[in-house]
Amino acid sequence: DTEVTQTPKHLVMGMTNKKSLKCEQHMGHRAMYWYKQKAKKPPELMFVYSYEKLSINESVPSRFSPECPNSSLLNLHLHALQPEDSALYLCASRATGNNEKLFFGSGTQLSVL
Amino acid sequence: KNQVEQSPQSLIILEGKNCTLQCNYTVSPFSNLRWYKQDTGRGPVSLTIMTFSENTKSNGRYTATLDADTKQSSLHITASQLSDSASYICVVSHVAPSGGYNKLIFGAGTRLAVHP
Repeated sequence: DTEVTQTPKHLVMGMTNKKSLKCEQHMGHRAMYWYKQKAKKPPELMFVYSYEKLSINESVPSRFSPECPNSSLLNLHLHALQPEDSALYLCASRATGNNEKLFFGSGTQLSVL
Repeated sequence: KNQVEQSPQSLIILEGKNCTLQCNYTVSPFSNLRWYKQDTGRGPVSLTIMTFSENTKSNGRYTATLDADTKQSSLHITASQLSDSASYICVVSHVAPSGGYNKLIFGAGTRLAVHP
């Protein structure tokens, strides 16, 4: 299994809602990532988890809260988002070793109304 | 400043034609460079990796080159197909100064459209 699975594929939420994005991989990768991608722009790094511990937070607003319950799962909890947070949210994972490639999920297309 | 610049920003070609995409970087110290293909609404998929000592690498109809001296890379697509329509993103790995995972620096991508 060489897939990173993200759910849901699409999400529409209001600014007062609480929702969660989920990501799962069974490749034994110990590094997992959240990226945000606006239309026609490259992905922007949000968070990195290494061995289930948060290792990088790229100054992301607290309305985004990541969680890594175990080595296969990565969640992104959303609360009180703004319309400008609408984007494609990509999860990725990779094996240890700096020449290892990122495996990306298909993303969650988020719209905040 | 560590940057990755890609050109052209967008490109339209006819099916069956060849094309070349460019990537220039100022990342130092350099670890490796990857080309990713991203279909609309999907996550990027790695096409090839270039390390410092490699000049050319092929993956089917895709051929990547690297000139580490001039800090330039190219991705050449041969005999293009409609399914090649996508964004192509150059990602350069910046060596972490204190160990740990290298930082990945993304280019803005080239949007390729292949028309019949």
